[in-house]
Amino acid sequence: NAGVMQNPRHLVRRRGQEARLRCSPMKGHSHVYWYRQLPEEGLKFMVYLQKENIIDESGMPKERFSAEFPKEGPSILRIQQVVRGDSAAYFCASSRDRALGEKLFFGSGTQLSVL
Amino acid sequence: KQEVTQIPAALSVPEGENLVLNCSFTDSAIYNLQWFRQDPGKGLTSLLLIQSSQREQTSGRLNASLDKSSGRSTLYIAASQPGDSATYLCAVAQGGSEKLVFGKGTKLTVNP
Repeated sequence: NAGVMQNPRHLVRRRGQEARLRCSPMKGHSHVYWYRQLPEEGLKFMVYLQKENIIDESGMPKERFSAEFPKEGPSILRIQQVVRGDSAAYFCASSRDRALGEKLFFGSGTQLSVL
Repeated sequence: KQEVTQIPAALSVPEGENLVLNCSFTDSAIYNLQWFRQDPGKGLTSLLLIQSSQREQTSGRLNASLDKSSGRSTLYIAASQPGDSATYLCAVAQGGSEKLVFGKGTKLTVNP
């Protein structure tokens, strides 16, 4: 029973390139959450998705960032035209039902480094 | 705006010691509180989940308490072991929101 799978584990991009981060939730989980952890900072909520729907994107930067969770396949967090400030660990979490009252299961994260 | 603070930021103890990690939050209108463990280069592992109506939860050597009215939670670790070395994160869920608000964590080192 595989846990939440994120890939790649490490991603290096030059300024201006695009970064695509993937997250496969646990089997049977249809709710996905993305969090970002900046150096020396706590985890910050970015976006909450259900299959094919964005439920809450209040933590997403207004520009360059987008997320999707298609009917088939993993959830994708996409960052266009990356800048050095985007360097961080990006974590995905999933739950069987809405997060309220449910434990969240986290992936191992993707460490994004922007040169 | 909810803010979560964890004290101390780092803690080093000898093996076998009992210890307490502290978490405080500014808005007492929470739905639940979770304690997580984060190992270097790895994701978060949920340790304990306390619903707002509960006062404490126990799992093995771990005990977490919640005092919602005062905005505090503690994580008690009994008979600490080197394998307990990790960063411990506290996170609260606001009522009606899916977001977890995290503290910055307490980095625990248990020395053999």
